[in-house]
Amino acid sequence: DAGVTQSPTHLIKTRGQHVTLRCSPISGHKSVSWYQQVLGQGPQFIFQYYEKEERGRGNFPDRFSARQFPNYSSELNVNALLLGDSALYLCASSLDQDLNYGYTFGSGTRLTVV
Amino acid sequence: AQKITQTQPGMFVQEKEAVTLDCTYDTSDPSYGLFWYKQPSSGEMIFLIYQGSYDQQNATEGRYSLNFQKARKSANLVISASQLGDSAMYFCAMREAEGLTGGGNKLTFGTGTQLKVEL
Repeated sequence: DAGVTQSPTHLIKTRGQHVTLRCSPISGHKSVSWYQQVLGQGPQFIFQYYEKEERGRGNFPDRFSARQFPNYSSELNVNALLLGDSALYLCASSLDQDLNYGYTFGSGTRLTVV
Repeated sequence: AQKITQTQPGMFVQEKEAVTLDCTYDTSDPSYGLFWYKQPSSGEMIFLIYQGSYDQQNATEGRYSLNFQKARKSANLVISASQLGDSAMYFCAMREAEGLTGGGNKLTFGTGTQLKVEL
């Protein structure tokens, strides 16, 4: 079985641009969450989606948005990129929204904003 | 206040020795879960071990064990017989629903401990 897959693996964008990151969860997992990990810190929660509905949002500006598709894959969109958005973006999938079985993380997308 | 505190930014251990990575947490919710993840330099977060707040016994997974002291709100990770491949960043995390209005849950992570295993 494939694990959590994220694309692209690396990305370089210019300040002010828009970016879309993609995630495919493990087959059978209905919940997808997004985390931002700035260098030297632990991951910070951005969103959780379950059954195509937003179930939680972290303390991030409205420039960050996400959605989940009928096949449970997900996109994270960031508008008007700032230098501070440079980070590793991790997608995590789980069976349920309660995280009773924890998460499986993808390898992440490393975003550099210049 | 920090929800998850990891006070050891870096640790060294000799190969084949045991090492303890510290984690304390803060919550008023009687139902919570504690996780440990390993993050090699490649970036992927690898699940190691889980402890539920109502679990009576300390969790164990192979060479990993969790020293859960509920009254002290600590959940230290013990790695026995360290191997060179254990060199990585280790994160403690707590599952919580605080601040989420849609019924979801999230993991709140500590700042991590960089472990280096030496010959």
